[in-house]
Amino acid sequence: QQQVKQSPQSLIVQKGGISIINCAYENTAFDYFPWYQQFPGKGPALLIAIRPDVSEKKEGRFTISFNKSAKQFSLHIMDSQPGDSATYFCAAATPGTYKYIFGTGTRLKVLA
Amino acid sequence: DTGVSQNPRHKITKRGQNVTFRCDPISEHNRLYWYRQTLGQGPEFLTYFQNEAQLEKSRLLSDRFSAERPKGSFSTLEIQRTEQGDSAMYLCASSPEGDTQYFGPGTRLTVL
Repeated sequence: QQQVKQSPQSLIVQKGGISIINCAYENTAFDYFPWYQQFPGKGPALLIAIRPDVSEKKEGRFTISFNKSAKQFSLHIMDSQPGDSATYFCAAATPGTYKYIFGTGTRLKVLA
Repeated sequence: DTGVSQNPRHKITKRGQNVTFRCDPISEHNRLYWYRQTLGQGPEFLTYFQNEAQLEKSRLLSDRFSAERPKGSFSTLEIQRTEQGDSAMYLCASSPEGDTQYFGPGTRLTVL
């Protein structure tokens, strides 16, 4: 029940295309859902985050879509660029401790 | 640079040796988290502090691991009698209230 399932494991997108990464969870106590970007040898960097009272949040080229009833959320990267090539992690946290439960990651490659 | 810093960035040690890592959080962030990330996986929660109090420890944190945050500022993570299975990236994150966490660059531990 504590797992966050992430798919796909890897993704190849043409420059200018839309990258879509999906996550699903079981624990309805989760109330904070961040997405992180990680480059090799670096720490994760926060991209965008959402709470379950909102169905969509957009920041620049990054959008989170949240479906509370389906217990799913997704990251959309519009106009994908080669510089977006990285590993993306979704996470979920319960209020109080906010210890993150991370997904297994999606390795994105954007072709020039 | 006012981000989270971690030292050392890399540590190579022999099995059975003790190692200590340091994390300096963003100034005035009350919460500090430690995670461990193995190759190709998402980070896994180890422990967290609210100021100087260690409030939760994961089952992953065996009795060979100890963490401190004296005076609620920097934190140290010590691993005693290292094993090859301890080889991983150790990540520190700080947060003002827990939800939004800012990660450091990590310490890469290799146990020979």
